[in-house]
Amino acid sequence: DAKTTQPNSMESNEEEPVHLPCNHSTISGTDYIHWYRQLPSQGPEYVIHGLTSNVNNRMASLAIAEDRKSSTLILHRATLRDAAVYYCICLGPRRHSGGGADGLTFGKGTHLIIQP
Amino acid sequence: EAQVTQNPRYLITVTGKKLTVTCSQNMNHEYMSWYRQDPGLGLRQIYYSMNVEVTDKGDVPEGYKVSRKEKRNFPLILESPSPNQTSLYFCASSYGTSRQTQYFGPGTRLLVL
Repeated sequence: DAKTTQPNSMESNEEEPVHLPCNHSTISGTDYIHWYRQLPSQGPEYVIHGLTSNVNNRMASLAIAEDRKSSTLILHRATLRDAAVYYCICLGPRRHSGGGADGLTFGKGTHLIIQP
Repeated sequence: EAQVTQNPRYLITVTGKKLTVTCSQNMNHEYMSWYRQDPGLGLRQIYYSMNVEVTDKGDVPEGYKVSRKEKRNFPLILESPSPNQTSLYFCASSYGTSRQTQYFGPGTRLLVL
């Protein structure tokens, strides 16, 4: 799975859009880009994922660069409840058919602070 | 409501006293796994299960056991807990593999004295 790089923290104001960047320059053609977030004192929560085209769902949008070496998670109108650590991970096909470690690898993520 | 539940949510125990953390999902998922989360180390997978009666070691399996006798349940067993197993534990499940959307439980905070 390709390594990802994200800013340690970002700050935004409530009800404004937030653009969270992620670099994944070593991504391979079969790797999907996934975003999860972890709110304080909760388990990680799936946000969105995509392969090549931009994606939208009820939570967010995912904009993927044409060369796929970077992507941006867009929260269109941030609320205080969106304050969380956001993780970007690249996942290829499962490598192991006969056992071996198989988990998601979350880096440090981006700590998103929302100001009222 | 589709969810992954864990019990207990908080547990304080002493070294050597066997304990079990339960995990249950109501989404008919085949894949289930356990993670621990420690400051500065991120999420690390302990064990996972591709289906009933099929389990495999993750990155940090030492000191833990699991079983998968039913599709919905995946308990984590600490036969002889030690202080270095003090951590925040998450159970997760998905339809097929680890590469598909993972649904995480709320976490179990364990303190081993």
